[in-house]
Amino acid sequence: GQNIDQPTEMTATEGAIVQINCTYQTSGFNGLFWYQQHAGEAPTFLSYNVLDGLEEKGRFSSFLSRSKGYSYLLLKELQMKDSASYLCAVMDTGGFKTIFGAGTRLFVKA
Amino acid sequence: GAVVSQHPSRVICKSGTSVKIECRSLDFQATTMFWYRQFPKKSLMLMATSNEGSKATYEQGVEKDKFLINHASLTLSTLTVTSAHPEDSSFYICSARTLRDTQYFGPGTRLTVL
Repeated sequence: GQNIDQPTEMTATEGAIVQINCTYQTSGFNGLFWYQQHAGEAPTFLSYNVLDGLEEKGRFSSFLSRSKGYSYLLLKELQMKDSASYLCAVMDTGGFKTIFGAGTRLFVKA
Repeated sequence: GAVVSQHPSRVICKSGTSVKIECRSLDFQATTMFWYRQFPKKSLMLMATSNEGSKATYEQGVEKDKFLINHASLTLSTLTVTSAHPEDSSFYICSARTLRDTQYFGPGTRLTVL
């Protein structure tokens, strides 16, 4: 079956670093996405990994290990505005369907 | 990044009426668009995959006669909720796939059925 797991909630302090983990088991794999979603808004694209390794983009980095079915999103120098849900999503090989995890709600405190 | 618009952003309608939601890719052509619904504090649930010029592919449990999808052009897909009921109240979000396979989301439409 298709399964994507990520922690439900995390809390971190402003200025700190936080790592949000995601594990997946899907029938096919054509890339992994991370999206940020603020309450009441649509998701916004953060990153896309299709090969193993680390992709860095400013304060955000995303890592993928296909053999382990594992990814993480790393947020550095946390800001209050980073408080949001972070969605891990895997694109299937057939039909380009993307399967979403339930999301991790990140709370950044002062 | 690519821009996807959705209209309307909010709609309130009476039970039994139909509501049409438009999804447009503004600066790219999208052969594939997706329609999701999201309940409060829940993740996105894929409803259907919309391909330009062909019939939409619906996920299991989604009534195709209730949620009509039309992908008339490479930049426009519409979702019509027919004979809406209060349980159809939800946040409906579309996304469009770029040539690089990244999905960009529209801002969403909050539907409230009275």
